Amino acid sequence: SAVISQKPSRDICQRGTSLTIQCQVDSQVTMMFWYRQQPGQSLTLIATANQGSEATYESGFVIDKFPISRPNLTFSTLTVSNMSPEDSSIYLCSVVEGGDTEAFFGQGTRLTVV
Amino acid sequence: AQSVTQLDSHVSVSEGTPVLLRCNYSSSYSPSLFWYVQHPNKGLQLLLKYTSAATLVKGINGFEAEFKKSETSFHLTKPSAHMSDAAEYFCVVSVPWGSYIPTFGRGTSLIVHP
Repeated sequence: SAVISQKPSRDICQRGTSLTIQCQVDSQVTMMFWYRQQPGQSLTLIATANQGSEATYESGFVIDKFPISRPNLTFSTLTVSNMSPEDSSIYLCSVVEGGDTEAFFGQGTRLTVV
Repeated sequence: AQSVTQLDSHVSVSEGTPVLLRCNYSSSYSPSLFWYVQHPNKGLQLLLKYTSAATLVKGINGFEAEFKKSETSFHLTKPSAHMSDAAEYFCVVSVPWGSYIPTFGRGTSLIVHP
């Protein structure tokens, strides 16, 4: 099973600034996903980040607001740009390995925008 | 496309009584189905998964779920609730064709009374 290290675990940021979240996996994975979990809500998929191609964003999420990098098969970053208090959420990195369909999750980044 | 519906936003039980968390899914292909648990301020933990093997799946901490294709259901059960089971539970569907993107239900909050 994949082990995911996500940094930072939490942060408090000023509105208008940007935060980059890092996701490091201990094995090579093709598919990596970024989710947002707003307070008291379920997980909503932001984008799929596959190595060697542009990230695919879900409806309601745009690249200018949530740019994603995927430089190799073990690492990805998600940036939350020009933050507002509405961006206060938990952001989670997830991977699916090989032929398995089980998703593995990082511990999440708890973001508070003030 | 796939989707998952968790029929109850909250379930309240007394310690020692059975637990039933309901989940229905929709999928164009044979799905993989999962239950994840999220304790307060903790990451997501896989409870159990169904991936087209036995329809009755046993998971950790005494939980089990039964895949019923005719009813498109994957309900989570436990014979006797423990106080430590109080948490948020997510039913997740993933299709083993195409993108493998895990799709989350809205979550069910399990409350356990002494």
